Amino acid sequence: RKEVEQDPGPFNVPEGATVAFNCTYSNSASQSFFWYRQDCRKEPKLLMSVYSSGNEDGRFTAQLNRASQYISLLIRDSKLSDSATYLCVVTVPKVAGNKLTFGGGTRVLVKP
Amino acid sequence: GAGVSQSPSNKVTEKGKDVELRCDPISGHTALYWYRQSLGQGLEFLIYFQGNSAPDKSGLPSDRFSAERTGGSVSTLTIQRTQQEDSAVYLCASSFGGKDTQYFGPGTRLTVL
Repeated sequence: RKEVEQDPGPFNVPEGATVAFNCTYSNSASQSFFWYRQDCRKEPKLLMSVYSSGNEDGRFTAQLNRASQYISLLIRDSKLSDSATYLCVVTVPKVAGNKLTFGGGTRVLVKP
Repeated sequence: GAGVSQSPSNKVTEKGKDVELRCDPISGHTALYWYRQSLGQGLEFLIYFQGNSAPDKSGLPSDRFSAERTGGSVSTLTIQRTQQEDSAVYLCASSFGGKDTQYFGPGTRLTVL
């Protein structure tokens, strides 16, 4: 079983609609959680951190459910520019560094 | 300011050759990470540097892979006797400290023929 699992999609979303997707993680010791965005043939870029109480950044809302070991991302009022692959990322406490463990990504396609 | 840079952006090599990939982290970032992204495997961790030392090498797939960092700055990832399964995008990331947000470079796309 992969440490971080995501529905690969694609999620085809009409412009202006809302889309939401989850990711599950297997290690209960996971400490930090993030959503990264990756455009085609580009490097991943941090979209937002995910906090226990849930957090919002503009049209993006992230939630964490530690009991069920999943995190979610919701995008409201989707824009064409939101088309990308969204990577779920977790870290497990280590003495050294902050190794990021990535899910396989969820592809989102926003269409006019 | 300048972000993480990597060179070359693309590298095509023949099976059995050695390759060197370079990463220039953001100035002042003490932590440096190498990751690999290949089709069907997603992004996977290779090695972590704090300063010039590598306290976590757990992701290096074989002894053909090695990395070093000098002057607490530039890092080189070396792959010896390349194999076709080494074909991937090799990404470097740096962070201010070992637990801080990581910023990724544009990657080196390696193709082994």
